[in-house]
Amino acid sequence: QKEVEQNSGPLSVPEGAIASLNCTYSDRGSQSFFWYRQYSGKSPELIMSIYSNGDKEDGRFTAQLNKASQYVSLLIRDSQPSDSATYLCAVFPGNQFYFGTGTSLTVIP
Amino acid sequence: EAGVAQSPRYKIIEKRQSVAFWCNPISGHATLYWYQQILGQGPKLLIQFQNNGVVDDSQLPKDRFSAERLKGVDSTLKIQPAKLEDSAVYLCASSFGRGNEQFFGPGTRLTVL
Repeated sequence: QKEVEQNSGPLSVPEGAIASLNCTYSDRGSQSFFWYRQYSGKSPELIMSIYSNGDKEDGRFTAQLNKASQYVSLLIRDSQPSDSATYLCAVFPGNQFYFGTGTSLTVIP
Repeated sequence: EAGVAQSPRYKIIEKRQSVAFWCNPISGHATLYWYQQILGQGPKLLIQFQNNGVVDDSQLPKDRFSAERLKGVDSTLKIQPAKLEDSAVYLCASSFGRGNEQFFGPGTRLTVL
């Protein structure tokens, strides 16, 4: 079982819609969770971190964490074509970061 | 605030040759990470430093890969000899401490022919 699992997609949404990205993790002791955006040919860029159960909002982005169900999600409201990228989920169980394989998102104008 | 710096940005070598990558983390960041990212996959940790000490190198192929972080700042990652399967992007990241938000450099794209 992989430490972090993401649906590889591709996920396509129309411009202005809500994009929902999901991630599950295996280590129940995980305390820190991160979402990164990676454009093709570029390095990962931190979008959000979340540490406590519930929602955390930052602009158009909302991260949701449910430790009991071992999942973390990212919602992107009012999706823009510039949001088209691969979104990586990262989890820190206490020793090292584990990354998912990423979900490819395409926002259609 | 300057970000994580890496060089070179691109490198093409023949198999069995050696190559070295350099990383300068964000000022004040004690933790430095080297990752390997193969196309279509997420970054995989190779080695993690806390200041100038190695915290985790369990996934570093030690027969050919080596890394050091002298004086707890800059770091170098070396591959000797390179294999075809080492073709990947090598990413350096740094964070204030272990488990804190980490920030990535631009990466080095290595092609082994």
